[in-house]
Amino acid sequence: DAKTTQPPSMDCAEGRAANLPCNHSTISGNEYVYWYRQIHSQGPQYIIHGLKNNETNEMASLIITEDRKSSTLILPHATLRDTAVYYCIVRARPTNDYKLSFGAGTTVTVRA
Amino acid sequence: NAGVTQTPKFQVLKTGQSMTLQCAQDMNHEYMSWYRQDPGMGLRLIHYSVGAGITDQGEVPNGYNVSRSTTEDFPLRLLSAAPSQTSVYFCASSYTSGTGELFFGEGSRLTVL
Repeated sequence: DAKTTQPPSMDCAEGRAANLPCNHSTISGNEYVYWYRQIHSQGPQYIIHGLKNNETNEMASLIITEDRKSSTLILPHATLRDTAVYYCIVRARPTNDYKLSFGAGTTVTVRA
Repeated sequence: NAGVTQTPKFQVLKTGQSMTLQCAQDMNHEYMSWYRQDPGMGLRLIHYSVGAGITDQGEVPNGYNVSRSTTEDFPLRLLSAAPSQTSVYFCASSYTSGTGELFFGEGSRLTVL
């Protein structure tokens, strides 16, 4: 799996959009970008994933650059409950390589 | 639908003791895995399985054993606990096809004295 680089932390004001960047410059053509989040020591929770098109679901939007070397997770209207560690990972799907590990992620703090 | 269930949630061991962390899922997922998370760090893969009877090592397998006799269960065994194994352990599962999203349990917090 390709390496990803995320800022260690960021703050966001409640009600504003939170834009979380992720660099994955060595991503290969068959690798997807996945985002998970972990709220205060709970088990991580899947948010969204994409290959090259932008994706949106009820939780967030994922914007992937045309060269696929970076992406941005957008939380459109951040709430205090969105305070969490956000992990960006890349993996091939389907894949025979299941050695999937998570880096340190970005700690997002939403402030009132 | 229970999802991924881990037991126990908390455990304190003495150095050298053995124990098993249990993980069960009711989603008929082929893939199951164990992670450990140390303070301020991400999740590191210990062992994983892509089906009953099939297991493989992850990033940090030393000191841990696993087996997969059924699709539903994937226990993690510590044969001789060491203080370095103090951590929070997460079990995760997924299908091996489709979206590939991982479903995680709530974690088991282990302290080895």
